[in-house]
Amino acid sequence: AQSVTQPDIHITVSEGASLELRCNYSYGATPYLFWYVQSPGQGLQLLLKYFSGDTLVQGIKGFEAEFKRSQSSFNLRKPSVHWSDAAEYFCAVGDGNQFYFGTGTSLTVIP
Amino acid sequence: ETGVTQSPTHLIKTRGQQVTLRCSSQSGHNTVSWYQQALGQGPQFIFQYYREEENGRGNFPPRFSGLQFPNYSSELNVNALELDDSALYLCASSLGGLAGGLAYEQYFGPGTRLTVT
Repeated sequence: AQSVTQPDIHITVSEGASLELRCNYSYGATPYLFWYVQSPGQGLQLLLKYFSGDTLVQGIKGFEAEFKRSQSSFNLRKPSVHWSDAAEYFCAVGDGNQFYFGTGTSLTVIP
Repeated sequence: ETGVTQSPTHLIKTRGQQVTLRCSSQSGHNTVSWYQQALGQGPQFIFQYYREEENGRGNFPPRFSGLQFPNYSSELNVNALELDDSALYLCASSLGGLAGGLAYEQYFGPGTRLTVT
């Protein structure tokens, strides 16, 4: 079965600092890769996705992610974090049969 | 354009009872997926409906069942509720079936919080 690992349960960054959230997946072929954000009491919002092509993908809210096949990783980055970015972030993988989410990384932003 | 809506927002049931959760998909979307999100966990895929037929299922027992209607809205039914069924149930709509890339442009509703006592 496929799996998605988000090694960091919780991350705290200062406002204005850079951010990198890690995601590793287990899948034989190139999967469909996604990052979602979930704010308290809200549903999931798609930040960005990777299907094929350029391995650096741009998303909404200034986020980007890089697909590295050799490392089976799809890390999410943002150069300067805003207080409104505080939320739960989920990496997800689709393999054509199912959709798998990681356990999430909770982001706290301190002023 | 109307987003994905779910009802009810919250629900409390007793172990052994049955529950039906409802989802209205985003306008123009023909695919609905359901997810269970336990507290502190990522969402787990339950199943997907595409054009009124089940089109993919996760590791959930048969007491989790669903329907999709001609207007593409959907229901999730859970029979013989267990305490571990307490979770946030998320519905997501998209265009296309599971195997297509477009299927993963999923738009999520706010969820239904189910508590089983």
